Amino acid sequence: QSVLTQPPSVSGAPGQRVTISCTGTSDNIGAGYDVHWYQQLPGTAPKLLIYGNIHRPSGVPDRFSASKSGTSASLAITGLQVDDEADYYCQSYDSRLRPNWVFGGGTKLTVL
Amino acid sequence: EVQVVESGGGLVQPGGSLRLSCAASGFTFSSYEMNWVRQAPGKGLEWISYTSGSGYTIYYADSVKGRFTISRDNAKNSLYLQMNSLRAEDTAVYYCARLLNYFDLWGRGTLVAVSS
Repeated sequence: QSVLTQPPSVSGAPGQRVTISCTGTSDNIGAGYDVHWYQQLPGTAPKLLIYGNIHRPSGVPDRFSASKSGTSASLAITGLQVDDEADYYCQSYDSRLRPNWVFGGGTKLTVL
Repeated sequence: EVQVVESGGGLVQPGGSLRLSCAASGFTFSSYEMNWVRQAPGKGLEWISYTSGSGYTIYYADSVKGRFTISRDNAKNSLYLQMNSLRAEDTAVYYCARLLNYFDLWGRGTLVAVSS
């Protein structure tokens, strides 16, 4: 069971907007630790998608955006493309077990 | 090119040992904190170990503490993971990952399978 909770799956049609939630506690996201997001395309390694709650690394399209509020964070993908089909993971830091970099369980995005 | 490349995975019997390596290139290796993150088949990501740039500060997840040892050789731009007393539940792809406040650089991973 992951420390950060994500929905197992989301889906959307090409061109649509989807959101993926990441719910934590007062020991991690709610404690003020940053949330980061990773994209894992099938059969490949994870790739940094969003860092510091809202920032996109160079090369990541602005179709990807994220936010954080309280004990939760959210990743939004607009203008869905078939190539966006992947697993998405949120990640933060948990203060209960120092140190402890924690991940969400991952969300499988299916583009219908 | 900035990259990290893992090697050393394979099939090992329960109770056995394996040593993973991660070769870094394209950046000043000694300036970066490095980690091992693993992913069991069909499962999510699990952070398992950290080392500071100097190698003096080291942390482990409870799931591997006492069995795994992380180390680095900055002269060789390499990170290592010595894995002892391996269990079936250690079966996973092991990734080497560079840490800023987030994991910004990942290798392609190396598969470790623990089975008799």
